Amino acid sequence: EPEVTQTPSHQVTQMGQEVILRCVPISNHLYFYWYRQILGQKVEFLVSFYNNEISEKSEIFDDQFSVERPDGSNFTLKIRSTKLEDSAMYFCASSEALEAGGETQYFGPGTRLLVL
Amino acid sequence: DAKTTQPNSMESNEEEPVHLPCNHSTISGTDYIHWYRQLPSQGPEYVIHGLTSNVNNRMASLAIAEDRKSSTLILHRATLRDAAVYYCILRDGDSGAGSYQLTFGKGTKLSVIP
Repeated sequence: EPEVTQTPSHQVTQMGQEVILRCVPISNHLYFYWYRQILGQKVEFLVSFYNNEISEKSEIFDDQFSVERPDGSNFTLKIRSTKLEDSAMYFCASSEALEAGGETQYFGPGTRLLVL
Repeated sequence: DAKTTQPNSMESNEEEPVHLPCNHSTISGTDYIHWYRQLPSQGPEYVIHGLTSNVNNRMASLAIAEDRKSSTLILHRATLRDAAVYYCILRDGDSGAGSYQLTFGKGTKLSVIP
């Protein structure tokens, strides 16, 4: 069964450094998402992406964050200058199409980011 | 998105049915009811969704109250692999937005006792 993959599984970085989290969505999917989950807290929406542009973003997704689909398969989340509070599990998700209220989002296994 | 209320935790014995409740008294006519679950150290996983009628799939059943103010996710025979946090999420089917973000609450942590 097709699945969303994410690399790396773990990333440790120093505060102020840039990180790029990578995702390979399911191949025929058109809609892509990033979520994050701080340890012990809820899963939070960051951004959605369709047709090479951001379609929605949350308040968390500030100027330090950016997303890109550099080729036909990868979907990346970049954090320009990491802060301690960026430490979290980051999940990528994709969906095939939009169905009124009904489409399924498929999640990857996540990248655990630790900012020191 | 309309708010949902779920118990913080539930326990079930292995191989017994589990009924996970969700209250959504402010649901609108266009809101779909979705259930996702998150196994330990994994990403969320879709379970089932519905609008008005009860739904069945290979993972679970979804029973929706006639007034749609509550729903119940039914696992017919709990296994140890079903131990997870279960999220009840309302999705607006008429938002007109370009995509549909999922808004997760705290969910119900289901423990399965061998």
